[in-house]
Amino acid sequence: AQRVTQPEKLLSVFKGAPVELKCNYSYSGSPELFWYVQYSRQRLQLLLRHISRESIKGFTADLNKGETSFHLKKPFAQEEDSAMYYCALAGGTSYGKLTFGQGTILTVHP
Amino acid sequence: DGGITQSPKYLFRKEGQNVTLSCEQNLNHDAMYWYRQDPGQGLRLIYYSQIVNDFQKGDIAEGYSVSREKKESFPLTVTSAQKNPTAFYLCASSIWPVRESYEQYFGPGTRLTVT
Repeated sequence: AQRVTQPEKLLSVFKGAPVELKCNYSYSGSPELFWYVQYSRQRLQLLLRHISRESIKGFTADLNKGETSFHLKKPFAQEEDSAMYYCALAGGTSYGKLTFGQGTILTVHP
Repeated sequence: DGGITQSPKYLFRKEGQNVTLSCEQNLNHDAMYWYRQDPGQGLRLIYYSQIVNDFQKGDIAEGYSVSREKKESFPLTVTSAQKNPTAFYLCASSIWPVRESYEQYFGPGTRLTVT
């Protein structure tokens, strides 16, 4: 069975500090990994996906198959990055199905 | 205003009653999903539907039922058989085929409280 683990329920950093939100997964095949974000009073939305290899709002995430990780990173956190972040996995025959992690609440202090 | 709407925002029911949560989308998306969000457990998939008149169970379908009679609508019924129905329910939709379906568009959610 596929699983996504986000070990940190809460993460606090100061503005301008680097931030890393951890995500580990278990899946036997070739997964597709995603980060979703929910800002205060907004809807959950896709932030980025690993196959795009893009940087969104300064965030990047690299799929590390050896460590089965997909950590989300940003070199200089901003207050507007404060949100709930979910890592999600899709793969194999689970068409259309995303498996979400438990979520990490990021707070960026001024 | 395009997107996904869920109603009502808050819903209160007595134990033993069935309750139906509404989800409508005007994005012309083929696929629709229902998730349950509980603190510390993330989002868990209840049911999903790829096309009209067809739907599949997700990971926690017991105690829930759905219908997909129209492309735009995917109501979720929380039955009295659901042992722990109090939760925040999120509806989502996406285009099909598969790879594009992983970008799911979410509604604002319905918070259901059963006492």
